[in-house]
Amino acid sequence: QSVLTQPPSVSAAPGQKVTISCSGSSSNIGNNYVSWYQQLPGTAPKLLIYDNNKRPSGIPDRFSGSKSGTSATLGITGLQTGDEADYYCGTWDSSLSANWVFGGGTKLTVL
Amino acid sequence: QLQLQESGPGLVKPSETLSLTCTVSGGSISSSSYYWGWIRQPPGKGLEWIGSIYYSGSTYYNPSLKSRVTISVDTSKNQFSLKLSSVTAADTAVYYCARVTSVLRFLEWSSWGQGTLVTVSS
Repeated sequence: QSVLTQPPSVSAAPGQKVTISCSGSSSNIGNNYVSWYQQLPGTAPKLLIYDNNKRPSGIPDRFSGSKSGTSATLGITGLQTGDEADYYCGTWDSSLSANWVFGGGTKLTVL
Repeated sequence: QLQLQESGPGLVKPSETLSLTCTVSGGSISSSSYYWGWIRQPPGKGLEWIGSIYYSGSTYYNPSLKSRVTISVDTSKNQFSLKLSSVTAADTAVYYCARVTSVLRFLEWSSWGQGTLVTVSS
């Protein structure tokens, strides 16, 4: 059971928009930056969004991030078949045992 | 371009110790503002952070694995290593090494190794 809760799967048609949620608590999302990772099949995860809403160099602006309270959201517009992947949120957890936590992951299917 | 490469045995017997090394190239492991860590992914499952180390030797460990994990660093070789003791089949996973930006807390994992599959089996 992950500390951060993500929907197991989402789907949408090519060209459409999809959002993936990540729910946590005040000890993690509520007081720390959230990052998002894309894992294409058979590859290592790749940083997609950091500091809640910033994109690393090379990440298209079709990908966006936001945070409100103890939840964060990844948005993807203009869906492409190449976006089909697993997406993970992650953040620092400042509870008694300070540590890093990932969400359980969301499988995106582009129909 | 920073590169990380995991190395170590792909098969470990139950109750033994899993040992992996991550070699960093294209940058110094002694860079400030970065920790270096291990993340694993059991087949078909999600990501689990194992622990992280600063070049000075300061460490953070996942509380659920802390009793079995040791992470060390060798700045002269630009490497850091993972030891996980008393392994069981549940420790079978792809193990990734990665770099995390750290300013008072971990921020984002910006560079990853390709991962190495470690199977625990007799």
